[in-house]
Amino acid sequence: EAGVAQSPRYKIIEKRQSVAFWCNPISGHATLYWYQQILGQGPKLLIQFQNNGVVDDSQLPKDRFSAERLKGVDSTLKIQPAKLEDSAVYLCASSSLRTSERPNEQFFGPGTRLTVL
Amino acid sequence: GENVEQHPSTLSVQEGDSAVIKCTYSDSASNYFPWYKQELGKGPQLIIDIRSNVGEKKDQRIAVTLNKTAKHFSLHITETQPEDSAVYFCAASQNSWGKLQFGAGTQVVVTP
Repeated sequence: EAGVAQSPRYKIIEKRQSVAFWCNPISGHATLYWYQQILGQGPKLLIQFQNNGVVDDSQLPKDRFSAERLKGVDSTLKIQPAKLEDSAVYLCASSSLRTSERPNEQFFGPGTRLTVL
Repeated sequence: GENVEQHPSTLSVQEGDSAVIKCTYSDSASNYFPWYKQELGKGPQLIIDIRSNVGEKKDQRIAVTLNKTAKHFSLHITETQPEDSAVYFCAASQNSWGKLQFGAGTQVVVTP
């Protein structure tokens, strides 16, 4: 079974520029999460989707961050404009609601490392 | 909201010895407590989890204990091996499909 795919793996931009990250979850997983992991810290949830609807975006800085999950599969996370403090690894995770599988375990992708100069 | 504290931040052990990582949480409504292992350049991977109706769970060399009264839970790794070297995160949530609140992580180094 293929894991969660993310691209790009690395991105370097200057402050005030825009950037977008892409995530392809495990096939059939209804729930998709975006986390921000700042160096030396644990991941922090930015947004959670159930199919293509938002379940929780309480910690998403909505003035500059946006995310969408069209057709309930792939997702993109965008930052516009970027700030220095946005430098972090952006992790995508997905989980299944099917009780036949290991229910609700969050499977993480490798992440996108963003550096804002 | 939930706050999870994790200690120690770094842990160095000799191969074959045991390692213990401790976490405390603040929200009494939390009832799902997973542990993740993160290797360099990779995303976190679930290694074990425990729910509030269970006090202890074991999987080969890894065990987790939960004390709901005191709001703390611990990860125990026995007979450590060099491949156990990684960053370990504890987390807490009100349910396994919702928002996970992570601790700050513990860098474990196992020396041969």
